[in-house]
Amino acid sequence: GEDVEQSLFLSVREGDSSVINCTYTDSSSTYLYWYKQEPGAGLQLLTYIFSNMDMKQDQRLTVLLNKKDKHLSLRIADTQTGDSAIYFCAESGGGFKTIFGAGTRLFVKA
Amino acid sequence: EPEVTQTPSHQVTQMGQEVILRCVPISNHLYFYWYRQILGQKVEFLVSFYNNEISEKSEIFDDQFSVERPDGSNFTLKIRSTKLEDSAMYFCASSVAGGADSKNIQYFGAGTRLSVL
Repeated sequence: GEDVEQSLFLSVREGDSSVINCTYTDSSSTYLYWYKQEPGAGLQLLTYIFSNMDMKQDQRLTVLLNKKDKHLSLRIADTQTGDSAIYFCAESGGGFKTIFGAGTRLFVKA
Repeated sequence: EPEVTQTPSHQVTQMGQEVILRCVPISNHLYFYWYRQILGQKVEFLVSFYNNEISEKSEIFDDQFSVERPDGSNFTLKIRSTKLEDSAMYFCASSVAGGADSKNIQYFGAGTRLSVL
């Protein structure tokens, strides 16, 4: 079945870039997403990329998609302490549902 | 900015009781969803709803669960006879479009934490 995998933890220093990686199995994925979850809060849609794109940039966020390897990454430039959160990779395309990874917890050290 | 709102933020119930979780999707959205996140686990799809009927459901969404759009704005998830393992964060989501190959961008509410004692 469809699956999305991502590493569980990432620690960076304030001001550095963060790169969160994700792999997925569903070759019919149409859209891939990054959601952010802060403690006690809901899932905030950060950005998404259509499967026929390689890259999307949105201010400090850069999404790279390697469709051949089914690999998605999220780069956060100039990471701030406010970026500390759980980041979920997700994909859709096989139906109505969105499939989520387990989330990567980003720690930003001041 | 339009958002999905969920009430209550936290619901405590006794095992065996019925609960209704409520959601107000974004007003021009046509597709509605429920997901759940058991503590420490992945966000799991439960059900999608369009045009007053279920369009897709997961194995989790068994006969104890039901969804309804009782009026033009609310979308509810009912859990009959709650079990301890139903304790989770329940997220409602909505989207303008839905289904395969569509721009199925789902916007989520803040969630309802359900605690079954």
